[in-house]
Amino acid sequence: SQKIEQNSEALNIQEGKTATLTCNYTNYSPAYLQWYRQDPGRGPVFLLLIRENEKEKRKERLKVTFDTTLKQSLFHITASQPADSATYLCALLTSNTGKLIFGQGTTLQVKP
Amino acid sequence: NAGVMQNPRHLVRRRGQEARLRCSPMKGHSHVYWYRQLPEEGLKFMVYLQKENIIDESGMPKERFSAEFPKEGPSILRIQQVVRGDSAAYFCASSRDSPLAVHEQFFGPGTRLTVL
Repeated sequence: SQKIEQNSEALNIQEGKTATLTCNYTNYSPAYLQWYRQDPGRGPVFLLLIRENEKEKRKERLKVTFDTTLKQSLFHITASQPADSATYLCALLTSNTGKLIFGQGTTLQVKP
Repeated sequence: NAGVMQNPRHLVRRRGQEARLRCSPMKGHSHVYWYRQLPEEGLKFMVYLQKENIIDESGMPKERFSAEFPKEGPSILRIQQVVRGDSAAYFCASSRDSPLAVHEQFFGPGTRLTVL
């Protein structure tokens, strides 16, 4: 069956450290993968997109990797800050459906 | 440029009533998506619409739920004869082009539906 999985347990890290979040998928062939941030009571906000033929993408303190062999994407936040505390969602677009499939999200808590 | 707008932000209905959720996409966006988020769960795709057309409704429950995106006016998600299990946050998103053209989706603030 098709699955997209993110760590369900919250990730707690100290300010200044690098946070690494994982997104694994099975039985999908995604055209691209996106990462979103969601704060409590709000809609998701787009952060980064990486295509199937790209290995890595960076934007300021954010970095995303995409390994189609391992069927995994890693999302890194360097020099993390308490303001980075939120839930982070990965989403796949599969080339044959045209719709986004979301993981359940991982909650990040950055402690000062 | 206003973002995606949804109203109402909060909606309370009794079992058996109808719920109508509205979504106005960003200016210039002709693709609209509806998602449902149950407590402690991820976003679940419901339906993808373009103006006057339903492109993909594979995530919509077969009964009681319908969606439209008319030529003029907002997109409407309609839930008839609501039940307690319909209580959730409903998010609308829009994009400028088809998802296959590789564009991010812009989300609205959501409508939180509570069924008593």
